[in-house]
Amino acid sequence: GENVEQHPSTLSVQEGDSAVIKCTYSDSASNYFPWYKQELGKGPQLIIDIRSNVGEKKDQRIAVTLNKTAKHFSLHITETQPEDSAVYFCAAGPNFGNEKLTFGTGTRLTIIP
Amino acid sequence: NAGVTQTPKFQVLKTGQSMTLQCAQDMNHNSMYWYRQDPGMGLRLIYYSASEGTTDKGEVPNGYNVSRLNKREFSLRLESAAPSQTSVYFCASSDLRTGTELFFGSGTQLSVL
Repeated sequence: GENVEQHPSTLSVQEGDSAVIKCTYSDSASNYFPWYKQELGKGPQLIIDIRSNVGEKKDQRIAVTLNKTAKHFSLHITETQPEDSAVYFCAAGPNFGNEKLTFGTGTRLTIIP
Repeated sequence: NAGVTQTPKFQVLKTGQSMTLQCAQDMNHNSMYWYRQDPGMGLRLIYYSASEGTTDKGEVPNGYNVSRLNKREFSLRLESAAPSQTSVYFCASSDLRTGTELFFGSGTQLSVL
């Protein structure tokens, strides 16, 4: 089955700086790579996703890059703000079928004012 | 719209007791899921229901049972709780006709003593 590794487990950055979270996956058949943000006391919420037919996707201050050859993908947050403090999860799986989605172990991001 | 609603939010059980976690969604989604979240282990799928009337095992089904009561409701039952089932439980729903996004409830924190 799929194995997803996520690093780092904790990350602290100064407000305004950039944050990068990296994930690697093992199954070359995976084609869908979502990122979820979990705020304290809440359930995870999708913030961005990418499919294997593109190498990069941006949404305002958030971007995701994918390297299928190396089997790794990354989340980039620029101009970080206090509200970016949360736990972030990457995941990998097929294009359809959430039951086959494998999650990473999470990164706790803290933005220092 | 409330989205995905889980009850209860907190529960403490003694070893061997039983309980049912309730989940309801008002987004007319076909698919529903139960995950558990443990420190350092990300989200792991317990059971899912691809559509009303069907249920299937996920990665960690042992010790659990589920019921898809109707299109809106999907319950998770612990017949004889064990300390290893201490975790945070999340219900989620999705509709593959419109996308792969998972919509999560706010979770149930369960402690088994």
